[in-house]
Amino acid sequence: QSALTQPPSASGSPGQSVTISCTGTSSDVGGYNYVSWYQQHPGKAPKLMIYEVSKRPSGVPDRFSGSKSGNTASLTVSGLQAEDEADYYCTSYAGSNTYVVFGGGTKLTVL
Amino acid sequence: EVQLLESGGGLVRPGGSLRLSCAASGFTFSSYAMSWVRQAPGKGLEWVSFISAGGGSTYYADSVKGRFTISRDNSKNTLSVQMNSLRAEDTAVYYCAKDGNWNYPSYYFDYWGQGTLVTVSS
Repeated sequence: QSALTQPPSASGSPGQSVTISCTGTSSDVGGYNYVSWYQQHPGKAPKLMIYEVSKRPSGVPDRFSGSKSGNTASLTVSGLQAEDEADYYCTSYAGSNTYVVFGGGTKLTVL
Repeated sequence: EVQLLESGGGLVRPGGSLRLSCAASGFTFSSYAMSWVRQAPGKGLEWVSFISAGGGSTYYADSVKGRFTISRDNSKNTLSVQMNSLRAEDTAVYYCAKDGNWNYPSYYFDYWGQGTLVTVSS
């Protein structure tokens, strides 16, 4: 149950786009279309932003998009806004006898 | 409106036990799998345990296997986790999280509680 690999930090200016990567293996990210992304503001509970690689829950702005190539999934935030500054976590299904594995998290800073 | 309210956190000595509960409302609790996810102070999220909608399937992270037991009471819309042999590294905010799909595992969580803090210290 090794954690997925995310960059510790990412940044961009308002209006710009930023992409956060999430790297796993063929046993998790690469093997299934069960990647999801969560946003967490300080002191708050996580919020689902993307599920099943690229689907957006109702209410999540379309500035948030997800994709996957091989063993790496990505979250792209377009048209950065100040309220997008938060920690972002990816997860993936990790096979039988377990459920999901999280990435280490990426702190997104809006400059 | 979906609501998940955790309770039972607190200070416990190493080797001690604690039972967390999560009261669910606003959805058909018995139709959704549930999980516990924790976050150590200043650290990232860690999935801890899963239970299927009917309670017949459970999974645990290696870090808690053999020490934690997840359960649910669908008649009372309550999720629980019994935590035994607690260690300092179990110190974290514990969240209960609702699965996204009705009646089968979704591998994502569409609603989270606000969390309850467990501190393991002598």
